[in-house]
Amino acid sequence: AQSVTQLGSHVSVSEGALVLLRCNYSSSVPPYLFWYVQYPNQGLQLLLKYTSAATLVKGINGFEAEFKKSETSFHLTKPSAHMSDAAEYFCAVSNTGTASKLTFGTGTRLQVTL
Amino acid sequence: AAGVIQSPRHLIKEKRETATLKCYPIPRHDTVYWYQQGPGQDPQFLISFYEKMQSDKGSIPDRFSAQQFSDYHSELNMSSLELGDSALYFCASSPPGVDTQYFGPGTRLTVL
Repeated sequence: AQSVTQLGSHVSVSEGALVLLRCNYSSSVPPYLFWYVQYPNQGLQLLLKYTSAATLVKGINGFEAEFKKSETSFHLTKPSAHMSDAAEYFCAVSNTGTASKLTFGTGTRLQVTL
Repeated sequence: AAGVIQSPRHLIKEKRETATLKCYPIPRHDTVYWYQQGPGQDPQFLISFYEKMQSDKGSIPDRFSAQQFSDYHSELNMSSLELGDSALYFCASSPPGVDTQYFGPGTRLTVL
């Protein structure tokens, strides 16, 4: 069975500060890993994904994540937070192959303060 | 760009009633997934369809059923609704050979 663990249900950063959201995964097979963002009362928007190509993945809105197999991690970072980044962030894992379900972490709520 | 369409966006039902949620995937996407997100929870996988056949099943109650039609749209049918079924129900779709799921805006179901 696959799972992801997101450390920290709430993270608060100042505008302009580094954003670091942590995700560790557990999988018996090489996984695909994803970060999604959810704004209040909205659907899930894909930020970025790792599908066994480059280990450093760049996504939308200046976010990036690095797949580290030795640490079973896929942490999300952004050099400089913006007020508009305030949202819920979900890390997710899936098997490779067609129609593989996503297993989500419990989410991290990012707060950005002035 | 076209996105996943879900209808209705909001639905209020009484206990023991039935509900039907509809999902229209992005054009040329052949795989549809359904997820349930309870208040303050992460999305939980319910069921998926690939080329109109059920491909995987998660923690979907027996009271729920779903199918994918010839035009690739999907419907989630929920019967004997319970208070605990109140949640956001997301549909996602993915194109052939691609593992990325694109989510719709969700249907918020409230059971009174």
